[in-house]
Amino acid sequence: SQTIHQWPATLVQPVGSPLSLECTVEGTSNPNLYWYRQAAGRGLQLLFYSVGIGQISSEVPQNLSASRPQDRQFILSSKKLLLSDSGFYLCAWGAGANEKLFFGSGTQLSVL
Amino acid sequence: GQQLNQSPQSMFIQEGEDVSMNCTSSSIFNTWLWYKQDPGEGPVLLIALYKAGELTSNGRLTAQFGITRKDSFLNISASIPSDVGIYFCAGRFMDSNYQLIWGAGTKLIIKP
Repeated sequence: SQTIHQWPATLVQPVGSPLSLECTVEGTSNPNLYWYRQAAGRGLQLLFYSVGIGQISSEVPQNLSASRPQDRQFILSSKKLLLSDSGFYLCAWGAGANEKLFFGSGTQLSVL
Repeated sequence: GQQLNQSPQSMFIQEGEDVSMNCTSSSIFNTWLWYKQDPGEGPVLLIALYKAGELTSNGRLTAQFGITRKDSFLNISASIPSDVGIYFCAGRFMDSNYQLIWGAGTKLIIKP
């Protein structure tokens, strides 16, 4: 069966520090991968999606970047965090036509 | 851009009551997905709908793909305390190229 792993679960970082969040998927090949951000009590905002290794599409201009160095690995990064980068970050994967998305357990990022 | 309106924003109900929430879009969708999110966790897929008029159940949950293809509803029968959480609808419109449009969520709260 397929599983998705996302870490860390919580992270507190100072403003201006770098960020690296990692997500890996097991049990499937060539998945579509997604990074979402969720503000407290709000809906999901798509940040990046990837349909293959090295292929990244960005949905909103921002202080973040994403990379997909391996088929089942998706990384969210920042060189210098801003206060506004705080939020709940979710990784998800999907596959096939009319795909369903399956989410990781999320990372709560607090930038202080 | 594409809009997806989810209502109600929140619901206070008594245990044992039936619950109904819905989503409407400005475009024709070919996929509707319903998710539930518990605090601090990623959303979990409840029901997926792919055909206009389709009615699908998952335990006490029932969801329907509207015949106009612009709406969907989710019903929960005989609510129990573990139904508490935020419910999200998500839809994929024609020619959306992988992207899901998300509702803002319905927060379900059970009165003590």
